[in-house]
Amino acid sequence: QAGLTQPPSVSKGLRQTATLTCTGNSNNVGNQGAAWLQQHQGHPPKLLSYRNNNRPSGISERFSASRSGNTASLTITGLQPEDEADYYCSAWDSSLSVVFGGGTKLTVL
Amino acid sequence: QVQLVESGGGLVKPGGSLRLSCAASGFTFSDYYMSWIRQAPGKGLEWVSYISSSGSTIYYADSVKGRFTISRDNAKNSLYLQMNSLRAEDTAVYYCARNLDYWGQGTLVTVSS
Repeated sequence: QAGLTQPPSVSKGLRQTATLTCTGNSNNVGNQGAAWLQQHQGHPPKLLSYRNNNRPSGISERFSASRSGNTASLTITGLQPEDEADYYCSAWDSSLSVVFGGGTKLTVL
Repeated sequence: QVQLVESGGGLVKPGGSLRLSCAASGFTFSDYYMSWIRQAPGKGLEWVSYISSSGSTIYYADSVKGRFTISRDNAKNSLYLQMNSLRAEDTAVYYCARNLDYWGQGTLVTVSS
């Protein structure tokens, strides 16, 4: 049950665009796509998108997800201070398990 | 509105047991698969277990297989996690989640002598 690979940290300026990546393999991201979650310090995670680019109601259009092969991406446009958080990707794996990435800490400068 | 409320966490000695509960409300509990996901202090998310809507299909992470048991009572809108043979590395906040779209606030389990 190997995890997905995410960069530990990304820093971008206010109102800029950040793209976070998540790399898996053909058994998880490449097969089922990925979900993305946002977690602010001291709070539970919140789902931002599932199966690549389906957004739950209430999630801003500034968040968009995509996938190319075994790599999923989350793009956040017009960065705001409240976007500073930890971001996790997740995917169903054919080994009958759910795998998470190690998380990316997004800093908005 | 959808609510998930975990309970049952606490301090337990290595080798001990604990039973977590998750009370669900605001949706038809029996229609959804549920998961337990944990987060060790300062660390990332780790999936623990999954149970289908009927309870007929269950999966576990290798790290807890044989020690943890997930179950549900659809009549009581409740999800459970029986944790046996606890280890220090099981110390974490345990979240119950509906799919991944709704999460509870979590309950802290600390395994320490």
